[in-house]
Amino acid sequence: SQKIEQNSEALNIQEGKTATLTCNYTNYSPAYLQWYRQDPGRGPVFLLLIRENEKEKRKERLKVTFDTTLKQSLFHITASQPADSATYLCALEAAGNKLTFGGGTRVLVKP
Amino acid sequence: GAGVSQSPRYKVAKRGQDVALRCDPISGHVSLFWYQQALGQGPEFLTYFQNEAQLDKSGLPSDRFFAERPEGSVSTLKIQRTQQEDSAVYLCASSLAGLAGGKETQYFGPGTRLLVL
Repeated sequence: SQKIEQNSEALNIQEGKTATLTCNYTNYSPAYLQWYRQDPGRGPVFLLLIRENEKEKRKERLKVTFDTTLKQSLFHITASQPADSATYLCALEAAGNKLTFGGGTRVLVKP
Repeated sequence: GAGVSQSPRYKVAKRGQDVALRCDPISGHVSLFWYQQALGQGPEFLTYFQNEAQLDKSGLPSDRFFAERPEGSVSTLKIQRTQQEDSAVYLCASSLAGLAGGKETQYFGPGTRLLVL
């Protein structure tokens, strides 16, 4: 069956360090992969989309990689700040127009 | 409006009661999605509209769940005879053009938190 796995344990990190989050998937062949940020009590907010033929994408302090052989995406937050504390969700296309989301990884950046 | 809005933000229902959750998408957005999010989990797809047409309802958990978007803008998710397992956050999202396969950004509302007692 199709699965998307993100580390369910919270990631605690010191301000200024790089946070690295993992999204692994099985039994998908997505052409696109998206990352969203979700704060408590709010809906997810889109951050980045990466295509299968793109190895890496950057936006400000964010970097996403997409390895279709390993079936894995890595999400990096460089020079992390306390304001980066949130839950980060990866999402893949499923059949039709559906997005299927992973369970999310909570990041806590300590000053 | 500037973003997707949902109402009510919180709803407490007694088991067996019917509830209706409203979503106002971004003006002009063709596609509208409903998701259910349990505590500590990612959103799970419920149903999808392109304009007024409900193209996919495969995620609706039972026939107690019904969604409509009669004029291709506002959508309502109705849950009949609510059960405790229906307690969750219900998220609505819209996207501009309805492109297939996750190419497009989805813009999410704040969600309605439903608690069934």
